[in-house]
Amino acid sequence: EAQVTQNPRYLITVTGKKLTVTCSQNMNHEYMSWYRQDPGLGLRQIYYSMNVEVTDKGDVPEGYKVSRKEKRNFPLILESPSPNQTSLYFCASSFEGGTEQYFGPGTRLTVT
Amino acid sequence: DAKTTQPPSMDCAEGRAANLPCNHSTISGNEYVYWYRQIHSQGPQYIIHGLKNNETNEMASLIITEDRKSSTLILPHATLRDTAVYYCIVRVWTGANNLFFGTGTRLTVIP
Repeated sequence: EAQVTQNPRYLITVTGKKLTVTCSQNMNHEYMSWYRQDPGLGLRQIYYSMNVEVTDKGDVPEGYKVSRKEKRNFPLILESPSPNQTSLYFCASSFEGGTEQYFGPGTRLTVT
Repeated sequence: DAKTTQPPSMDCAEGRAANLPCNHSTISGNEYVYWYRQIHSQGPQYIIHGLKNNETNEMASLIITEDRKSSTLILPHATLRDTAVYYCIVRVWTGANNLFFGTGTRLTVIP
């Protein structure tokens, strides 16, 4: 089954404790993205990647890092999480920029 | 990418057609119209997209006006499972795959 998976689905952590949210897709897609969703603000792109070893900032990259060492994986790294990073995070992938994006189930992160 | 305007909410009776409008009066010639929906807090789901011709797939139809300044997503026979927030997005085909999700239209299908 074609899908995007994210882990963990739920995470509660404390300020400053480094964490990684994994994202994996099995569709051989070139493009992958991370979004965060906050009430009243819609979804905003954090980082995207157009291919292995090619990443770039989205609209709200501060406080996040990503890597794309393999085509299927695109982890999101929070080196020193802060409470304002409490949010619902989605990973997405697509074959190319204009084709439909497939979204993962989401990761609900709470930073206390 | 062009800005879009959608009504914040709409109701539709189960079994009837749901017509969701979107205004994108500043759309450029190379920008496509995409529709996604999000059921509760699940990941958004792609519905359909088009450039200037009307499009239809197994989920919905997309009607784009001749001047391309507005469009309508049509769910022909709405079911309770179609209750969701629907997002109209306008963007170019190439480049970064950023989708700007505004606040969308919350469609409630009523039994």
